[in-house]
Amino acid sequence: DGGITQSPKYLFRKEGQNVTLSCEQNLNHDAMYWYRQDPGQGLRLIYYSQIVNDFQKGDIAEGYSVSREKKESFPLTVTSAQKNPTAFYLCASSVRSGEKLFFGSGTQLSVL
Amino acid sequence: AQSVTQLDSQVPVFEEAPVELRCNYSSSVSVYLFWYVQYPNQGLQLLLKYLSGSTLVKGINGFEAEFNKSQTSFHLRKPSVHISDTAEYFCAVSDRLGSGNTGKLIFGQGTTLQVKP
Repeated sequence: DGGITQSPKYLFRKEGQNVTLSCEQNLNHDAMYWYRQDPGQGLRLIYYSQIVNDFQKGDIAEGYSVSREKKESFPLTVTSAQKNPTAFYLCASSVRSGEKLFFGSGTQLSVL
Repeated sequence: AQSVTQLDSQVPVFEEAPVELRCNYSSSVSVYLFWYVQYPNQGLQLLLKYLSGSTLVKGINGFEAEFNKSQTSFHLRKPSVHISDTAEYFCAVSDRLGSGNTGKLIFGQGTTLQVKP
């Protein structure tokens, strides 16, 4: 079955630690996105990539980094510079930028 | 830049009653509009979208939305809700792909629909 896989489902981060969230899609989509979801704030765009080997900052990119070395993969690293990382992180993809998004099931990141 | 405002953070309604979830947007360019639904502990699913053409858009699960350009609104409606409609609903906008437009999707803050028996 085609779809988007996010892993792990739950992740814990210690102070000063970098952690990486995985996002893989087998839909052959060009565009991929990372969103952060906090209660009462909806979804906020962290980074997006319209094509492999290219990505752009979203509205809240500080403290995060991404790579897009393969079409299928768009990992997100939450660095120690992100002082409030506790949130639900959603990865999404679309055939092209601006079209219907397909979402993964999310990763809940918490700070120990 | 685009922005989206969902006017109600929570909407309680009794089963089989009609419901309207409000969404207003602002943009200096032509846009695409979307409604997504999120069930607890899951990702989002597309309910419906407006790209062009008829301003009344029908989606899945009996939902529909009307694009009103003059009022910059895209309100979501359902004539009779079920308990299973309890979820969070997000309105989203993206600029139309073209010169200088990114096509990235901007979401509203979400509206929690609580359907009571």
